[in-house]
Amino acid sequence: DTEVTQTPKHLVMGMTNKKSLKCEQHMGHRAMYWYKQKAKKPPELMFVYSYEKLSINESVPSRFSPECPNSSLLNLHLHALQPEDSALYLCASSRGLVGEKLFFGSGTQLSVL
Amino acid sequence: QQQVKQSPQSLIVQKGGISIINCAYENTAFDYFPWYQQFPGKGPALLIAIRPDVSEKKEGRFTISFNKSAKQFSLHIMDSQPGDSATYFCAIPEGQNFVFGPGTRLSVLP
Repeated sequence: DTEVTQTPKHLVMGMTNKKSLKCEQHMGHRAMYWYKQKAKKPPELMFVYSYEKLSINESVPSRFSPECPNSSLLNLHLHALQPEDSALYLCASSRGLVGEKLFFGSGTQLSVL
Repeated sequence: QQQVKQSPQSLIVQKGGISIINCAYENTAFDYFPWYQQFPGKGPALLIAIRPDVSEKKEGRFTISFNKSAKQFSLHIMDSQPGDSATYFCAIPEGQNFVFGPGTRLSVLP
């Protein structure tokens, strides 16, 4: 199994809603990532988890809250988002942290109304 | 975070032609240079990568050429097919992350 599975595929939420994005991998990877991608732009790193511990937080607003319940799961909790947060949110995993192949999920297309 | 430059921004090629995309970086402490391919509505997927103990790597129709002294590497797609139409990103390892180039949108005309 070389897949990273993300749910939901699409999400529409209001600015007062609370929602969560979910990511799962069963490749035994110990590094997991959240990226944000705007249309026609490259992915931008939000968070990195290494061995289930938050390793990098790229100065992301607190309305985004990551969680890594175990080595296979990664969540992104969303609260009080703004319309400019609308984007494709990508989860990725890799075997290690440095110079390793990234496996991406298909993403969650988020629209904030 | 360093600047990663990619050219061209977009590329239109006839079926059977050669597509060439270039990437330039400032510095890296790591020896791993990948190209990712992304189709609309999908996440990026690794297409081909090189470790610069060699200057060129070929996998099927895809070739990476690497010039360490110039801090550049390129992707060559031979016999381009309409199914190759996608956005291509080079990526440079930096710390615990990759810095992605701005992307090249390739369209292969039938």
